[in-house]
Amino acid sequence: DAKTTQPPSMDCAEGRAANLPCNHSTISGNEYVYWYRQIHSQGPQYIIHGLKNNETNEMASLIITEDRKSSTLILPHATLRDTAVYYCIVRVEGYGGSQGNLIFGKGTKLSVKP
Amino acid sequence: DTGVSQDPRHKITKRGQNVTFRCDPISEHNRLYWYRQTLGQGPEFLTYFQNEAQLEKSRLLSDRFSAERPKGSFSTLEIQRTEQGDSAMYLCASSLGDRATDTQYFGPGTRLTVL
Repeated sequence: DAKTTQPPSMDCAEGRAANLPCNHSTISGNEYVYWYRQIHSQGPQYIIHGLKNNETNEMASLIITEDRKSSTLILPHATLRDTAVYYCIVRVEGYGGSQGNLIFGKGTKLSVKP
Repeated sequence: DTGVSQDPRHKITKRGQNVTFRCDPISEHNRLYWYRQTLGQGPEFLTYFQNEAQLEKSRLLSDRFSAERPKGSFSTLEIQRTEQGDSAMYLCASSLGDRATDTQYFGPGTRLTVL
């Protein structure tokens, strides 16, 4: 089972920041938080990942709480093309076995509206 | 485009037929994963390879499913005697296999419809 909890759906106005929450209260010290998104009928697209510190790249920012039990993915200026299902995943980094596999939940369906 | 590629993108077959899908990973990626995604669900892990070695298989991978990666480059996933329940999107992903940066990158998927 997925180790994360996400709201099933969210709306966001175009041009505004989209803040997608994720709860992972049972996360272990060696588990990373990964975010992927999936636009309709396409393969999942990697967005960002982090362990403890906040991370930012050209797509998004990842804010992880100090206790690491939750995180927020921020899309600073959402566009219509950001409409997708967003998956928050926790996984152990490293070699071997099921530690490397991604366990997807149902994600959050983000709808960006004009 | 140097991303993960999959072929075919769509496949329609009749129940009982065999089908084979191909995945070409990103160049120099040592790990290759197969996932299956049914409507309304997130992708589910099927199996993965480290170079040519198949290191893990999910319980979802029944005896009718077989995957190969003969030279550690491209991979094939074959389904024998297809059933209607096999209808799904089959996704391939690859990663470097490096401990520090083992991010998986997905291909566009192959959508299978079994009639």
